[in-house]
Amino acid sequence: DTAVSQTPKYLVTQMGNDKSIKCEQNLGHDTMYWYKQDSKKFLKIMFSYNNKELIINETVPNRFSPKSPDKAHLNLHINSLELGDSAVYFCASGARGQQETQYFGPGTRLLVL
Amino acid sequence: QKEVEQDPGPLSVPEGAIVSLNCTYSNSAFQYFMWYRQYSRKGPELLMYTYSSGNKEDGRFTAQVDKSSKYISLFIRDSQPSDSATYLCAMSQGFGNEKLTFGTGTRLTIIP
Repeated sequence: DTAVSQTPKYLVTQMGNDKSIKCEQNLGHDTMYWYKQDSKKFLKIMFSYNNKELIINETVPNRFSPKSPDKAHLNLHINSLELGDSAVYFCASGARGQQETQYFGPGTRLLVL
Repeated sequence: QKEVEQDPGPLSVPEGAIVSLNCTYSNSAFQYFMWYRQYSRKGPELLMYTYSSGNKEDGRFTAQVDKSSKYISLFIRDSQPSDSATYLCAMSQGFGNEKLTFGTGTRLTIIP
């Protein structure tokens, strides 16, 4: 009964490929997030969706496109992968207005060769 | 200059010692302050959160916020080897702007 789950856990791919990462939460939260953690462990927000509506978009290249089919899912599609996209991507969910309740998934380790 | 500054460490202390972890920040609009713990190859997990200035205690953990100095701290008493992890401070402005801005994290090792 994992609260926030992500698939896949590991993703190794070639430059130029397109890949997707899926995220699901069973906490009943209305807001979901994508964060990127670089090799120095710096965690930075990329996107946030509230009730399927994009509310935060942090100057992320438009090769990254989040998609939220419903409140419980937020997927991340990445086109034309670049070496610099290698990182750990974390999905999180929370209740709008309750920032202290953001729960993180286990992360997807992406390596672009 | 980053909005949130945190000494990356690494920090090594003997078991049983008191650990002090700190962050400074520049954005006076931050109102919510959180500490996350991240074990190797895992997602961050919320440890403590405080609203505005003051102290909050939970077991061996105490979080302090001094908004006038833009400085927050996390104290760990009677440190255990299981406390070995990376500790990330995070902050947000409040309702309508809940995005978390993180520090770079401090890697802590408790030596048995």
